[in-house]
Amino acid sequence: DTGVSQDPRHKITKRGQNVTFRCDPISEHNRLYWYRQTLGQGPEFLTYFQNEAQLEKSRLLSDRFSAERPKGSFSTLEIQRTEQGDSAMYLCASSPSSGSSYNEQFFGPGTRLTVL
Amino acid sequence: TQLLEQSPQFLSIQEGENLTVYCNSSSVFSSLQWYRQEPGEGPVLLVTVVTGGEVKKLKRLTFQFGDARKDSSLHITAAQPGDTGLYLCAGADNAGNMLTFGGGTRLMVKP
Repeated sequence: DTGVSQDPRHKITKRGQNVTFRCDPISEHNRLYWYRQTLGQGPEFLTYFQNEAQLEKSRLLSDRFSAERPKGSFSTLEIQRTEQGDSAMYLCASSPSSGSSYNEQFFGPGTRLTVL
Repeated sequence: TQLLEQSPQFLSIQEGENLTVYCNSSSVFSSLQWYRQEPGEGPVLLVTVVTGGEVKKLKRLTFQFGDARKDSSLHITAAQPGDTGLYLCAGADNAGNMLTFGGGTRLMVKP
């Protein structure tokens, strides 16, 4: 399978704990995006990387959130001191940075976070 | 801030019926993508429309991009139970840096 993969698929944690999610993009894609989706809503943009550089961050990404893509391949999203409002599906997507599919983003299966 | 509104939010129809889902915005997008999402899974890309007035067909699905690239529609002919899911439209900014999603249309096709 050469699609976007995410790990874990599900995470249940207690309020105040830290959690980290991983995303492996499609291998030839330079761009990697993180989105958050709450129940009954469309995904909301969080941040994106061009190779290892984090180029844009949404206002939704509070100080408790940090994302990295150290070698320009996989990415991690960490949430510190989780709150119940962080419960959501966290989606990762990737896209090539040029060519006819420039704007097409391909999504992974998501990580469902539940904060108790 | 770019916003996309989808309508209807929910749609429940019988197998064999036709339906249209609308995606509207006051903003211009460089391209617009339609996704379908199953419960507990990520969105799956169906189509990308780029040119104003463009029409694309994918079997029983017809996608249209408005002339001004602010709106789009998805028409399904002879819906089948397998079409059940959440349909999302998403507009790309000029740099392709992010997608702005609509709230989705949840479709249920009853056999």
